[in-house]
Amino acid sequence: DTEVTQTPKHLVMGMTNKKSLKCEQHMGHRAMYWYKQKAKKPPELMFVYSYEKLSINESVPSRFSPECPNSSLLNLHLHALQPEDSALYLCASSQLTGPGELFFGEGSRLTVL
Amino acid sequence: AQTVTQSQPEMSVQEAETVTLSCTYDTSESDYYLFWYKQPPSRQMILVIRQEAYKQQNATENRFSVNFQKAAKSFSLKISDSQLGDAAMYFCAYRSYNTDKLIFGTGTRLQVFP
Repeated sequence: DTEVTQTPKHLVMGMTNKKSLKCEQHMGHRAMYWYKQKAKKPPELMFVYSYEKLSINESVPSRFSPECPNSSLLNLHLHALQPEDSALYLCASSQLTGPGELFFGEGSRLTVL
Repeated sequence: AQTVTQSQPEMSVQEAETVTLSCTYDTSESDYYLFWYKQPPSRQMILVIRQEAYKQQNATENRFSVNFQKAAKSFSLKISDSQLGDAAMYFCAYRSYNTDKLIFGTGTRLQVFP
């Protein structure tokens, strides 16, 4: 199984809503990532979890709250978002040793009204 | 800090022809990994090819090969016998040995014409 599964694929929310994005992998990877991608731009790193602990936070606003309940799951909790937060949110996972290429999910397309 | 530069925002190629996508990077490290990722219009980013900096031999994966010039900090991707399914955004990426961070270039959009 070389898949990273993200749900939902599409999400529309108002600025006062609370929602969550979910990511799951069963490859035994111990690093998991959240990226934000705007149209025609490269992915921008948001958070990295290593061994279920937050290891990198790229100065992301607190309205984005990551959570790693176990080694297979990664959540991104969303609250009081702004329209400029509309983007494709990509989850990825990798091994922590060796080349460590990232395996990406298909992404969650978020629209904030 | 490391940076990755892709100087070709768009490229096009005729089906069955060969195309080369350019990538340069800047780093003071000696040990690192380089990757080419492909993102088709359906969105999912997939790995095309990877190169470990300590290996002098250029990586090859079927129709995809790289020209890795460590001294010049250059990492180009050659696609041979281009197919319509190769049309996508291609990202060059850098990762050092001792970090979880993958640094992407700005991407090159490849169009393939029949």
